Amino acid sequence: EAQVTQNPRYLITVTGKKLTVTCSQNMNHEYMSWYRQDPGLGLRQIYYSMNVEVTDKGDVPEGYKVSRKEKRNFPLILESPSPNQTSLYFCASSLGAEQYFGPGTRLTVT
Amino acid sequence: ELKVEQNPLFLSMQEGKNYTIYCNYSTTSDRLYWYRQDPGKSLESLFVLLSNGAVKQEGRLMASLDTKARLSTLHITAAVHDLSATYFCADGGGADGLTFGKGTHLIIQP
Repeated sequence: EAQVTQNPRYLITVTGKKLTVTCSQNMNHEYMSWYRQDPGLGLRQIYYSMNVEVTDKGDVPEGYKVSRKEKRNFPLILESPSPNQTSLYFCASSLGAEQYFGPGTRLTVT
Repeated sequence: ELKVEQNPLFLSMQEGKNYTIYCNYSTTSDRLYWYRQDPGKSLESLFVLLSNGAVKQEGRLMASLDTKARLSTLHITAAVHDLSATYFCADGGGADGLTFGKGTHLIIQP
């Protein structure tokens, strides 16, 4: 089954404790991206990657890092999480016009 | 600044009624997406509109795109309770990813 998977789905952590949210797709898509969703703001793009070893900032990249060492994986790294990064995070991949979204990761930073 | 503006942001309507959600966008990508999101869930792709005058229909939902006016509409015909959800429009889909509207929270009451 074609899908985008994310782990963990839920995470509660404390300020400053480094964490990684993984994203994997099995569709051989070149393009992958991360979004965060906050109430009343819709989804905003954090980072995107057009292919292996090619990443670029989206609209809200501050406080996040990404890497793309393999085509299928695009982890989101929070080196020092802060409470304002409490949000719902979505990974997406695409080939052409169609975008495929992962199930989401709900992150709470206390 | 690239913008996607949806209205209304909140809509409560009765079953059996018709209504339209509007989406104005400011980019020149002319590629417009509609998604549905249920509480706690990921985004479900409804429509991808790729050209001026494009019209797509699925069940009680119909989406259209006017690239000259930079306007897309999502029309709901004879609403039923199962259509209660939050609906997002987004434009882009190229290298820069998607720019989302803030979403329309739709409640359909019996």
